[in-house]
Amino acid sequence: DQQVKQNSPSLSVQEGRISILNCDYTNSMFDYFLWYKKYPAEGPTFLISISSIKDKNEDGRFTVFLNKSAKHLSLHIVPSQPGDSAVYFCAASLRGKLIFGQGTELSVKP
Amino acid sequence: DTEVTQTPKHLVMGMTNKKSLKCEQHMGHRAMYWYKQKAKKPPELMFVYSYEKLSINESVPSRFSPECPNSSLLNLHLHALQPEDSALYLCASSHQRKGPLNTEAFFGQGTRLTVV
Repeated sequence: DQQVKQNSPSLSVQEGRISILNCDYTNSMFDYFLWYKKYPAEGPTFLISISSIKDKNEDGRFTVFLNKSAKHLSLHIVPSQPGDSAVYFCAASLRGKLIFGQGTELSVKP
Repeated sequence: DTEVTQTPKHLVMGMTNKKSLKCEQHMGHRAMYWYKQKAKKPPELMFVYSYEKLSINESVPSRFSPECPNSSLLNLHLHALQPEDSALYLCASSHQRKGPLNTEAFFGQGTRLTVV
């Protein structure tokens, strides 16, 4: 049973445009959500997070939106840069456990 | 220092071997984690240590044995593994907070394990 889902395995965006990565979850008890970026042969790198009591968190080019009623969160990257090309995982936290989605591979083309 | 350091980076072991993976952090984090990641899959939680005590074991087979000697170190002892255990093993750490708010976990680069 996949509690955290990223339904798009890949996304291709032109440099300078907005990248929107989506994530859905099923467990309403999740209390914290995070986005990680991962390059091949490296561990995930923390990007941005949001508590379940908020609906938006912004950090530079990265903004995470949370829609609790729809059990949906999204990561917006604007403007997208070629160096953003990587696999992006969303993760949800419950009592100290992080549960990851399957990942979306973002490719930003110059 | 915001690093989680894992050694070795690569490991090839036979099914009868005994080996250990090591993880170290100096961020003062009191929660440490082992995750396993297979190709094109998300990381899956194996163990959680909280204040040097094992708090979560996600029904991991006993051929994987975690150890937390102190607040900075986390080991994963391996014995009699199977080829299907080949994967990227990730260590992570985070602040341990009570209550509903969590904090982000910092991950190491992982150990790429191949069981032959």
